[in-house]
Amino acid sequence: AQSVAQPEDQVNVAEGNPLTVKCTYSVSGNPYLFWYVQYPNRGLQFLLKYITGDNLVKGSYGFEAEFNKSQTSFHLKKPSALVSDSALYFCAVRGLYNFNKFYFGSGTKLNVKP
Amino acid sequence: NAGVTQNPKFQVLKTGQSMTLQCAQDMNHNSMYWYRQDPGMGLRLIYYSASEGTTDKGEVPNGYNVSRLNKREFSLRLESAAPSQTSVYFCASSEAAVTLAKNIQYFGAGTRLSVL
Repeated sequence: AQSVAQPEDQVNVAEGNPLTVKCTYSVSGNPYLFWYVQYPNRGLQFLLKYITGDNLVKGSYGFEAEFNKSQTSFHLKKPSALVSDSALYFCAVRGLYNFNKFYFGSGTKLNVKP
Repeated sequence: NAGVTQNPKFQVLKTGQSMTLQCAQDMNHNSMYWYRQDPGMGLRLIYYSASEGTTDKGEVPNGYNVSRLNKREFSLRLESAAPSQTSVYFCASSEAAVTLAKNIQYFGAGTRLSVL
């Protein structure tokens, strides 16, 4: 079975500081991992994905994520946070046998304070 | 660029009432999905349609039905609404689930449903 876990309900960071939003996965096989962002009263928007290859994946809005197989993690990072980054972030993994099934984490609310 | 459009945006129902949530995409995508979002639980897949003419159950299909009317439209029906179906419902589409590079989902803005 595939699943992802986001251990933090909320992350607080000051503007200009680096941010990390954590995600760990449980997959029997090669994981296909995604990060999405949700702004208030909006649908989710794709940020980045890991399929294979380079462990550091770059995405939209200056975000990047590091895939770590030994720690089964896929943490989202940004070197310098902006107030406008405040949103709800979801990690997701694609189904191993059914490509239409995605399993989402519970979400992490990121608060960036000026 | 409309993308994925959902209607209505808000709805209040009484227990036992029925309603249909509408979803349409203008990106010529093959796959479409319905999710529900509940606090602390992330998104859970209700039903999906891998291609026009096919539908399949997701994680939480009980109490719902779907129709893939054509390639553009995918509706979700609640035949007899229950308070447990109070949630935010999201429709999504992707170009082609079988192709990793095209397996990005695009979401609508959501329908906020309250069942009293």
